[in-house]
Amino acid sequence: KAGVTQTPRYLIKTRGQQVTLSCSPISGHRSVSWYQQTPGQGLQFLFEYFSETQRNKGNFPGRFSGRQFSNSRSEMNVSTLELGDSALYLCASSLTGDYSNQPQHFGDGTRLSIL
Amino acid sequence: AQKITQTQPGMFVQEKEAVTLDCTYDTSDQSYGLFWYKQPSSGEMIFLIYQGSYDEQNATEGRYSLNFQKARKSANLVISASQLGDSAMYFCAMRLGDTDKLIFGTGTRLQVFP
Repeated sequence: KAGVTQTPRYLIKTRGQQVTLSCSPISGHRSVSWYQQTPGQGLQFLFEYFSETQRNKGNFPGRFSGRQFSNSRSEMNVSTLELGDSALYLCASSLTGDYSNQPQHFGDGTRLSIL
Repeated sequence: AQKITQTQPGMFVQEKEAVTLDCTYDTSDQSYGLFWYKQPSSGEMIFLIYQGSYDEQNATEGRYSLNFQKARKSANLVISASQLGDSAMYFCAMRLGDTDKLIFGTGTRLQVFP
């Protein structure tokens, strides 16, 4: 069974540009969450999608947005990139997205560098 | 406020020895889940073990066990018979409510030496 797939693995952008990251969850998983990991702030929750609906959102500016498609694949978009957006962006999926013991399974992440 | 605290920035352990990584949590919710993840230098987050707030027995998964003390709000990870491949960052995380949002601690870097 394939794991969570994130593309691309690495990205280099310049300030002011925008970027779209993609996440394909494990087959059958309906819940997808995104996290940002930086040395200074650690792992921070961005948002969660379940059945194409954003169910929860972290404390990030509106430049960060996402969506989920009917096949559960998810994309995350960051507009007007800033130097501080340089981070490892992790996507995670889980089977049901309800309150259960189902763990979130993470992808390898997309490492975004802003020049 | 919901929070996870990992007070050990780094830990060293000799190969084949056991090591305990500390985690305390803060929540007023009665229902929650606690997770431990391992993150090697390559970046992927690997799920290790889960403990539910209503689970009466401590969780175990192979060489990993979770020392759950609900009254003290602690969920320490015990790794038995450490291996060189266990060297990584370890994160404790909490999930609340009916969402998949995870609240992570700051992590503990474990280094296993021969």
